[in-house]
Amino acid sequence: DTGVSQNPRHKITKRGQNVTFRCDPISEHNRLYWYRQTLGQGPEFLTYFQNEAQLEKSRLLSDRFSAERPKGSFSTLEIQRTEQGDSAMYLCASSQRTPETQYFGPGTRLLVL
Amino acid sequence: AQSVTQPDIHITVSEGASLELRCNYSYGATPYLFWYVQSPGQGLQLLLKYFSGDTLVQGIKGFEAEFKRSQSSFNLRKPSVHWSDAAEYFCAVGGSNTDKLIFGTGTRLQVFP
Repeated sequence: DTGVSQNPRHKITKRGQNVTFRCDPISEHNRLYWYRQTLGQGPEFLTYFQNEAQLEKSRLLSDRFSAERPKGSFSTLEIQRTEQGDSAMYLCASSQRTPETQYFGPGTRLLVL
Repeated sequence: AQSVTQPDIHITVSEGASLELRCNYSYGATPYLFWYVQSPGQGLQLLLKYFSGDTLVQGIKGFEAEFKRSQSSFNLRKPSVHWSDAAEYFCAVGGSNTDKLIFGTGTRLQVFP
């Protein structure tokens, strides 16, 4: 049983550049979540998918952020025109149904210079 | 408003001592409660969860937690701490009417030999 995987694990970019992260959930899980965690804080919900459908988005998810899950399997999170405030750990999680445990990946740590 | 409070930012204990990490929540519906642990630079690992039933739940690594509805609390306990338990601990709440988790700000546990 492979867990949730995320790529890349680390990303350093310059302000104004676009970045894209990928999340591969546990294979039979139809729910996929994105969270953001800044230093010294707990994870904050960004968005989630049930299969291909994006069902909820946080107000934290500005217009520069977009997430997709085109075939109901892996998901991508894109940040356009990155800002220094986007520096954080981006965590992906998946679950089979609600209520159910959300299993987290190792995260992608983004540093915007 | 839905929220989770972890009053202790940082706790230091000696190896072999008992441990209690506090968690208080505010949630309008029936809460589902979780404790996750995060090692530096890593994702979150589930320690235990409460959905319903017995209010004392057992988890991995010898941890347990007790749900007290009257106190809106879900404190995590361990009778004897090991050096490998040093990490960040997060309490989270979800519910039947939402798929997202709301996390506390975490408690950093340091263990002295």
